[in-house]
Amino acid sequence: EPEVTQTPSHQVTQMGQEVILRCVPISNHLYFYWYRQILGQKVEFLVSFYNNEISEKSEIFDDQFSVERPDGSNFTLKIRSTKLEDSAMYFCASRVTSGRMIGELFFGEGSRLTVL
Amino acid sequence: DQQVKQNSPSLSVQEGRISILNCDYTNSMFDYFLWYKKYPAEGPTFLISISSIKDKNEDGRFTVFLNKSAKHLSLHIVPSQPGDSAVYFCAAIGSSNTGKLIFGQGTTLQVKP
Repeated sequence: EPEVTQTPSHQVTQMGQEVILRCVPISNHLYFYWYRQILGQKVEFLVSFYNNEISEKSEIFDDQFSVERPDGSNFTLKIRSTKLEDSAMYFCASRVTSGRMIGELFFGEGSRLTVL
Repeated sequence: DQQVKQNSPSLSVQEGRISILNCDYTNSMFDYFLWYKKYPAEGPTFLISISSIKDKNEDGRFTVFLNKSAKHLSLHIVPSQPGDSAVYFCAAIGSSNTGKLIFGQGTTLQVKP
């Protein structure tokens, strides 16, 4: 069964350092997302990406965050200068179409980011 | 801004009995809802969905009910199995263009053998 893969599974970094989280969405999917879950809290939307551009982003997704799809297969989330409050599980997700096919949103297993 | 709320953080049921997980929402513009299941150290996996044009959708042991006037939905699992023990998230589509999901806080279900 096709799946979304994420690397690394866990990254520990010092505050102020740059972090790149990587995702390989399912190959025929067109819409890509990053969500995050701070420990004990709900899963929160960060950003959606379609046709090589951001289609929507949340208030959390400030100038410290960026996404790109550099080579047609990887989808990356970069945090330029990490803060303690960026510590969370980051989930990549993808799906084929928009609209009422939303049920087919596939999530990766997550990348746990710990900022010290 | 809790547009989707799951007020019960946990639920414990006996194997074979019914599990009922509840979810409330505040935004009347939401018209499509989903339930996701999450095991520890894994990403959420899609379980079942319902459109606002329906009040019930069934898939095997899982049934979702939608009460639009009360802005309430529920997930019924019958019969419950120990393998159903997980965190269950209710979600609503926040934008039909981008597919953004707005999640509730989750309910941890424990099914005891």
